[in-house]
Amino acid sequence: TQLLEQSPQFLSIQEGENLTVYCNSSSVFSSLQWYRQEPGEGPVLLVTVVTGGEVKKLKRLTFQFGDARKDSSLHITAAQPGDTGLYLCAGASPSGYALNFGKGTSLLVTP
Amino acid sequence: GAVVSQHPSRVICKSGTSVKIECRSLDFQATTMFWYRQFPKQSLMLMATSNEGSKATYEQGVEKDKFLINHASLTLSTLTVTSAHPEDSSFYICSALPAVFNEQFFGPGTRLTVL
Repeated sequence: TQLLEQSPQFLSIQEGENLTVYCNSSSVFSSLQWYRQEPGEGPVLLVTVVTGGEVKKLKRLTFQFGDARKDSSLHITAAQPGDTGLYLCAGASPSGYALNFGKGTSLLVTP
Repeated sequence: GAVVSQHPSRVICKSGTSVKIECRSLDFQATTMFWYRQFPKQSLMLMATSNEGSKATYEQGVEKDKFLINHASLTLSTLTVTSAHPEDSSFYICSALPAVFNEQFFGPGTRLTVL
């Protein structure tokens, strides 16, 4: 199993602050995905990064894939309470399309 | 498009009984579906890969005789938790992989509580 380490595990910030979540592995991934999950619901795909060094922006969210395709980061600018949730990174397993998930970063944004 | 449903959304059962959870792709065909389990405050752990018309592939440590998976059609996979015990209480999430699109779509999950 290819392990994905996420940090921090928990993050509590105030509205308007910026934050960065990290996803690291010793393995190379052909692609990494970021999901957001709310309590009692399934994860929702935010973005897929494929190319080493790639940067993708989704409104206030910026995703970066490391040059070696072993790590990724998610940066949120001016966080809002609606950003609260569990952020998960995931990479495809070597055997196919099944996903290996990181442990997640639980984000709480307070007004 | 690309909606995946799960039924039931939550279930409470007595220890020793069996529970069936359905995963349906509503507007696409999925040759492959995946079953994940998520304990409180933890991430999703892959349990098994379900392929239409063939036996499921289970991850290491997952008992295939306890977690029965049937992928009877291109839009339906079922997970049956047999002889459930309190330690099986968890959030079970399925995902479906369309035949022509390289992205999994996740269901809303099923909360299982075994008393």
